[in-house]
Amino acid sequence: ILNVEQSPQSLHVQEGDSTNFTCSFPSSNFYALHWYRWETAKSPEALFVMTLNGDEKKKGRISATLNTKEGYSYLYIKGSQPEDSATYLCAFIAGYGNKLVFGAGTILRVKS
Amino acid sequence: GAGVSQSPRYKVTKRGQDVALRCDPISGHVSLYWYRQALGQGPEFLTYFNYEAQQDKSGLPNDRFSAERPEGSISTLTIQRTEQRDSAMYRCASSLVSPDTQYFGPGTRLTVL
Repeated sequence: ILNVEQSPQSLHVQEGDSTNFTCSFPSSNFYALHWYRWETAKSPEALFVMTLNGDEKKKGRISATLNTKEGYSYLYIKGSQPEDSATYLCAFIAGYGNKLVFGAGTILRVKS
Repeated sequence: GAGVSQSPRYKVTKRGQDVALRCDPISGHVSLYWYRQALGQGPEFLTYFNYEAQQDKSGLPNDRFSAERPEGSISTLTIQRTEQRDSAMYRCASSLVSPDTQYFGPGTRLTVL
C-alpha cells in the first residue's frame, strides 16, 4: 500500500510570513510527484510536476524541491498573502506513471 | 472545451437506485482519471483510461462501480444499487498523457438518501 504523508496538517501564519510544508512518499519505484493547490468548492489546481531527484521548481512566490532518494518534497511560500489560503495537496506516482496517490493535504490560513 | 466538465454537478438519489456520472475531458487529452473525494480529504483514485482502454481499475471499491470511455473522449462512471456510503464528491481529471499534469473538473456531489 502506497502511503503519502503531508505535514503539518494545518498552518496559520500572518501575512508576509514565509512558510513550508512537507510531503513524504515511498523512496522506491518513484516516477513523479505532483503538487496541487485546492480551494474548497473549487477543483484542485496543478502547481508542479516533479520527476528528477534534486528538481527545484518555482512559480511566483511558490517553489518546491524534490528528494527522491529519501522520499520527500518541500513546498515553500515566500511572503504569504491571504489569497494563498488553501489546501496544498501532494500526489505520488509509482512505477510507470498511472494513478496519483494523494496525501491528505496541508491547510494553510494566512491572516491579514 | 476550455476545461474538464462534469455533469450533473449535484445528484441526490435514493438508496438502491443506479446513477451515471459524466466527464467530458479537455479536447485531445489521452488520459482520463476518476477520483472520489471525502470531505476534508485528498482525492482517492478509482480508475483511469488511456484513450478508450481502461488501464487501471484497482481503486473501484466493488463491482457496483464501473466506468467506460467507449470513444476515447467522454467517460461515464456508473454506480449500481447505490448505498449511503457512496455519498461523496466524484471528480474527473484529464491529462495530455500520463503522468503529465492532471486538470480536474468541478466534480459531481453525490448524495444517497
